[in-house]
Amino acid sequence: NAGVTQTPKFQVLKTGQSMTLQCAQDMNHEYMSWYRQDPGMGLRLIHYSVGAGITDQGEVPNGYNVSRSTTEDFPLRLLSAAPSQTSVYFCASSYWGRSTEAFFGQGTRLTVV
Amino acid sequence: DAKTTQPPSMDCAEGRAANLPCNHSTISGNEYVYWYRQIHSQGPQYIIHGLKNNETNEMASLIITEDRKSSTLILPHATLRDTAVYYCIVRVVSEGDMRFGAGTRLTVKP
Repeated sequence: NAGVTQTPKFQVLKTGQSMTLQCAQDMNHEYMSWYRQDPGMGLRLIHYSVGAGITDQGEVPNGYNVSRSTTEDFPLRLLSAAPSQTSVYFCASSYWGRSTEAFFGQGTRLTVV
Repeated sequence: DAKTTQPPSMDCAEGRAANLPCNHSTISGNEYVYWYRQIHSQGPQYIIHGLKNNETNEMASLIITEDRKSSTLILPHATLRDTAVYYCIVRVVSEGDMRFGAGTRLTVKP
């Protein structure tokens, strides 16, 4: 039981490059979400999903795309990276509709130069 | 808009109880109160949650006021490893999003 796995752990991109941050969970959780955390700040919700084929925007969705084709995976795509997207990205998952805890990955530290 | 208000920082002596307050004056009847903490830059870790009754687990206790407008997380015997940012969140379990505020930075001192 691996929990929530994020890859890569570190990434450096040049402005304008694209990339996908991977998130996978093996707990059969319906709910998955992506957050970004800038230095000294709390987590801000980017996008979330309550099941395969269902996604919705959070607080700061601009510049990011998501899809949810399977229950296990919830990739986050940066189509054209900008320095303002330099941050630490966390993925989380939980059951939906039940008052249970959310599990977080260990984060992806992204630097856009 | 932030649903919760927490003090930005608190100190606690090692071995003493740490009492972290959270104000959620606009909480609705179907919203739970959750607490998470984040140690250094690790992923947040779940601590405890409750609806209206006080709750206790191996990590902490959660005290929710009768009107549910505020709560207190209690770490009964704080250790240096409890130094972290603590987040109080209110959430409806059947709604998708879970949003964090700025949290309280707890520093446990020897």
